[in-house]
Amino acid sequence: DQQVKQNSPSLSVQEGRISILNCDYTNSMFDYFLWYKKYPAEGPTFLISISSIKDKNEDGRFTVFLNKSAKHLSLHIVPSQPGDSAVYFCAGHHGSSNTGKLIFGQGTTLQVKP
Amino acid sequence: DAGVTQSPTHLIKTRGQQVTLRCSPKSGHDTVSWYQQALGQGPQFIFQYYEEEERQRGNFPDRFSGHQFPNYSSELNVNALLLGDSALYLCASSLPTLGIGYTFGSGTRLTVV
Repeated sequence: DQQVKQNSPSLSVQEGRISILNCDYTNSMFDYFLWYKKYPAEGPTFLISISSIKDKNEDGRFTVFLNKSAKHLSLHIVPSQPGDSAVYFCAGHHGSSNTGKLIFGQGTTLQVKP
Repeated sequence: DAGVTQSPTHLIKTRGQQVTLRCSPKSGHDTVSWYQQALGQGPQFIFQYYEEEERQRGNFPDRFSGHQFPNYSSELNVNALLLGDSALYLCASSLPTLGIGYTFGSGTRLTVV
């Protein structure tokens, strides 16, 4: 049972343009959603999160949108930079503060071309 | 500020052997979670330790076990290794009172031959 899905394995955009990464979920019990970026040979790095009671959260070039009725969230990166090229994971957080866990999607590889 | 430290970085084991992976959490964090990331997949939750006890467990067999020490560091043990256990093992630490901020280590790449 894949509770979090990232249906696009890869995405290629031109430097300066917008990158939109999508994520779908099935578990209505998630209290937060998080986006992580991962470079090869490194662990995932936290990018941005959104509470399940919000519909938008913005941090610099990164904005996450949550559509609860569609069980869909997206990460917008504007403007995209070559250094943004990495694998992006969306994750749902489930559980209480001391027993929470992250359920990850399969990841989307973003390539930003100069 | 030291982040999450995992050791070793790479490991090659033979099928049937046992392995121990280690994790030191970020300074100030008291909760440690372990994840398995197979090639081309997202990380999968194995289990979480808080106050030296396993608090939650994912869908992994009993061959996977862990431990948390009084200094909050943690070990992941895998017995009777299978070829399918080859993966990147990630440790994440957190301080729940700070919310859901999980900091990941760089992982241990385990190859079972």
